[in-house]
Amino acid sequence: DTGVSQNPRHKITKRGQNVTFRCDPISEHNRLYWYRQTLGQGPEFLTYFQNEAQLEKSRLLSDRFSAERPKGSFSTLEIQRTEQGDSAMYLCASSHRDSLGAWYFGPGTRLTVT
Amino acid sequence: AQKVTQAQTEISVVEKEDVTLDCVYETRDTTYYLFWYKQPPSGELVFLIRRNSFDEQNEISGRYSWNFQKSTSSFNFTITASQVVDSAVYFCALSPEDGTASKLTFGTGTRLQVTL
Repeated sequence: DTGVSQNPRHKITKRGQNVTFRCDPISEHNRLYWYRQTLGQGPEFLTYFQNEAQLEKSRLLSDRFSAERPKGSFSTLEIQRTEQGDSAMYLCASSHRDSLGAWYFGPGTRLTVT
Repeated sequence: AQKVTQAQTEISVVEKEDVTLDCVYETRDTTYYLFWYKQPPSGELVFLIRRNSFDEQNEISGRYSWNFQKSTSSFNFTITASQVVDSAVYFCALSPEDGTASKLTFGTGTRLQVTL
């Protein structure tokens, strides 16, 4: 069990640039979640997948955000035309469908938009 | 809408003291799950406990215990004989009982600092 991994761990980008983050879940987990955490706040739900299907998206996920999980394994989160307000820690978690909230989180990708 | 309130932003205790972290929640759902997660300095959230709204029994796991009171919408977390390794940010979370707890609503967290 190698855990949930996220790459890169840190990303600094200029406003207006596009960025893409990757999440590799625990291999046998069919659910994958993306959350965003800003300083001093709790994680906020962005979206989740069951296998390759994206089942729910938060209203926080504007048109500039897109997430994919093409083969039901790893997932990518892309932010287009980044804004300073996108600066945050982006967290990925995975679980079995029946784990009832007992998720495994990755270390996160810290995005800084300058 | 669901909401979780953790009024204590930061708590500092000396090792071996007991400490209680408060959590108050709001939900219109009749059934739901409650959770506690720990976020150590390394950043990875670690699942600690899940509680179904039907089950109001308190739970103890080693030095950790949880007090669920539906009447006051609270799910408090007590660490007995705290240790330096307990230093972390602790999050309370809530999910509707939709069969799979597919979405968690987190509180803002309580930072616990345990010193020698």
